[in-house]
Amino acid sequence: GAVVSQHPSRVICKSGTSVKIECRSLDFQATTMFWYRQFPKQSLMLMATSNEGSKATYEQGVEKDKFLINHASLTLSTLTVTSAHPEDSSFYICSARTGSTDTQYFGPGTRLTVL
Amino acid sequence: GQNIDQPTEMTATEGAIVQINCTYQTSGFNGLFWYQQHAGEAPTFLSYNVLDGLEEKGRFSSFLSRSKGYSYLLLKELQMKDSASYLCAVRGTDSWGKLQFGAGTQVVVTP
Repeated sequence: GAVVSQHPSRVICKSGTSVKIECRSLDFQATTMFWYRQFPKQSLMLMATSNEGSKATYEQGVEKDKFLINHASLTLSTLTVTSAHPEDSSFYICSARTGSTDTQYFGPGTRLTVL
Repeated sequence: GQNIDQPTEMTATEGAIVQINCTYQTSGFNGLFWYQQHAGEAPTFLSYNVLDGLEEKGRFSSFLSRSKGYSYLLLKELQMKDSASYLCAVRGTDSWGKLQFGAGTQVVVTP
């Protein structure tokens, strides 16, 4: 149980384009999902908290107009990187919270490369 | 805010035991998690502590002392596949259950 999928696993795009990343909880419902980014050899940095049916909550310093989050159902949250630039290249990971201990389970991640 | 410290790297031989320490200073505490992350992959859940004491799960055990702001992850009978980064994460008392991660400890297992 507690499987989270992410799609795509890898994406390469041109500067200025937008990229959508999907995060799905496969065998449970998640009212709350989280989006992180991770630079090489660094730890995870929380970008935003995604709540089903309401607006996402962004961490300080994260541009909400650049990183659009939609949590339209109890099993799906999407992150759209708008007008991507090379500095947005990173490993993006989502997680969903479940269980009696509210443990976060992570998706496999999306490697974004912006040329 | 929160400050979470763990060693950067540890090396141990196959079959040995390694203990990864994590100290934290937080404005709120509602549990501590350990995750394992192999290079290029997402973290996988290892253990959870919210009360003081030791939680054992196979070759992995995790300990928590809330009064000392201290936890450790113990890896026994090390295997080559245990070479990975181990992340200590503290959950705050916000309603969403956000996690604050330490920088991770890279464990290198040698033959």
